[in-house]
Amino acid sequence: DTGVSQNPRHKITKRGQNVTFRCDPISEHNRLYWYRQTLGQGPEFLTYFQNEAQLEKSRLLSDRFSAERPKGSFSTLEIQRTEQGDSAMYLCACRRGGATDTQYFGPGTRLTVL
Amino acid sequence: TQLLEQSPQFLSIQEGENLTVYCNSSSVFSSLQWYRQEPGEGPVLLVTVVTGGEVKKLKRLTFQFGDARKDSSLHITAAQPGDTGLYLCAGGRPVAGGTSYGKLTFGQGTILTVHP
Repeated sequence: DTGVSQNPRHKITKRGQNVTFRCDPISEHNRLYWYRQTLGQGPEFLTYFQNEAQLEKSRLLSDRFSAERPKGSFSTLEIQRTEQGDSAMYLCACRRGGATDTQYFGPGTRLTVL
Repeated sequence: TQLLEQSPQFLSIQEGENLTVYCNSSSVFSSLQWYRQEPGEGPVLLVTVVTGGEVKKLKRLTFQFGDARKDSSLHITAAQPGDTGLYLCAGGRPVAGGTSYGKLTFGQGTILTVHP
């Protein structure tokens, strides 16, 4: 257990529906990242928060995707009008501030879009 | 774009054998992390290497960061079935500059299967 939790662990939805995932990072880690991982690949960066500020978004993050971290603690990732290509594992990671790059990952949310 | 290439992509060995996984890049990274991931779970950190030439040992696992901080290797001695999983290397902030906010760049992973 890394201390990072994600909910739900699994989500099955129909194409066109909206879904929302939640990440609760380690409490003293103010940097938070979302990644997406498809089968047979390494995780790919989606977006980054420092406290409540969203400072970077990948080009992978289309306008159907939105992420928030309203109080600088937990974060949510919402996908609107889901498509089959959105099926993937969505991973949340966090780290302390400062020079360290070491990130700690949650267990992920597996999304299946039918 | 910084890319990390891992080799081999698949490795199937017998219990007791030794193995090495390689992670190579044309970019210089400030650090490199190795993770192990099991099906349906998130990556679990094994080690972070920071200094060029650094060697770290974790029981039967030996990690090395290249002198130029462009490559790394993971060596497992006397592999056991419990070592089975996906091994991922990930580069931290590129030394070349730019704003990365510490996002990790991952290799595609090495799927290791250790047969009893």
